Amino acid sequence: GAVVSQHPSRVICKSGTSVKIECRSLDFQATTMFWYRQFPKQSLMLMATSNEGSKATYEQGVEKDKFLINHASLTLSTLTVTSAHPEDSSFYICSARGQTNEQFFGPGTRLTVL
Amino acid sequence: AQSVTQLDSQVPVFEEAPVELRCNYSSSVSVYLFWYVQYPNQGLQLLLKYLSGSTLVKGINGFEAEFNKSQTSFHLRKPSVHISDTAEYFCAYSGGSNYKLTFGKGTLLTVNP
Repeated sequence: GAVVSQHPSRVICKSGTSVKIECRSLDFQATTMFWYRQFPKQSLMLMATSNEGSKATYEQGVEKDKFLINHASLTLSTLTVTSAHPEDSSFYICSARGQTNEQFFGPGTRLTVL
Repeated sequence: AQSVTQLDSQVPVFEEAPVELRCNYSSSVSVYLFWYVQYPNQGLQLLLKYLSGSTLVKGINGFEAEFNKSQTSFHLRKPSVHISDTAEYFCAYSGGSNYKLTFGKGTLLTVNP
């Protein structure tokens, strides 16, 4: 089956620093990648949709200058949380879609901002 | 507005008992429906999906779901659960050409010995 990886799996950073999270489709080309945020004991909230080679489309209420998304290739998308603050602490999950309408999810990245 | 509702936030059951996790959707267009499972601190794993065709969909780990258009439901069932089925289950739908998924709030299934 299709495999999506995320790196790092966990990251702890100081307030004010920036953190980059990578999402890779390992065995297929992802025309579209999605970034989700999940708070404890809550559902996944879509943050943005990114298509290879074009700017990401952000959901309402998501600050595009704070959550920078780059989808430079068909197998890699990155999410950079800029000037992170404690309220940005969350579980970030990416997914990737190839030629079908199914999304394959990464294992998630736990971000803790001190 | 399009949405998906999971009626139960928590479902406790005993091992080997049957279980049904309920999901209702609200959409005026054709939808694709999914059930995902999430174990603690992990990503989502697809259990099953309904795209078209037969309304009874069989998935992994012995789960199945039935698409009911008249009742706008897509309930997940398993005839006999195991301790290892303890996890969070999310119902989701995709209704547009952008393939965006909208998730329900999740149901925590707890299987007790």
